[in-house]
Amino acid sequence: QSVLTQPPSASETPGQRVTISCSGSSSNIGINNVNWYQQLPGTAPKVLMYRNNQRPSGVPDRFSGSKSGTSASLAISGLQSEDEADYYCAAWDDSLNGWVFGGGTKLTVL
Amino acid sequence: HVQLQESGPGLVKPSETLSLTCTVSGGSISGYYWSWIRQPPGKGLEWVGYIYYSGNTAYNPSLKSRVTMSIDTSRNHFSLRLSSATAADTAMYYCARETAVAGNHFYDYWGQGTLVTVSS
Repeated sequence: QSVLTQPPSASETPGQRVTISCSGSSSNIGINNVNWYQQLPGTAPKVLMYRNNQRPSGVPDRFSGSKSGTSASLAISGLQSEDEADYYCAAWDDSLNGWVFGGGTKLTVL
Repeated sequence: HVQLQESGPGLVKPSETLSLTCTVSGGSISGYYWSWIRQPPGKGLEWVGYIYYSGNTAYNPSLKSRVTMSIDTSRNHFSLRLSSATAADTAMYYCARETAVAGNHFYDYWGQGTLVTVSS
């Protein structure tokens, strides 16, 4: 059971917008920033978003992030087939004194 | 361009110690936190722990009693030892660099991962 809660799956058609949620608690998302990672099939994860809504260079602006209270979300607009991947949220947990991850959301582009 | 490469046995017997090394190339190991993150087959990511270049460590509480990390800055590599391995430790093990941008921490470089199976 992951400390952060994500829906196991999401799907949408090309060109549309999809949102992935991540729910935590007062010891992690409530007081720390959220990062998002994209894991394409058979590859290592790659950072997609840091500090809730900051995109590293090279990440398209189709990806956006937000945080409110103890929850965060990742939005992908103008969906493309290459966006099919697993998406993970992560945050530092002050009670556990370590990084915690969501269980991952498998995105299918129909 | 920073690259990380995991190495170590792909098969470990139950009750034995799982040992992995991550070699960093294209950049210095100094000044950063270095983590191990694992992913059981078909499952999500789990933080195992980190080691700072100075040698300070932090481990996942659920694994703390069995985990030891070390670092060799002269050889630009760091290592993981997980004792008393069980089948539940079977996973893809990734090493990763934790960077800080304006005080915000995240993993910017990852190794390709190495699959470790615990089985007799």
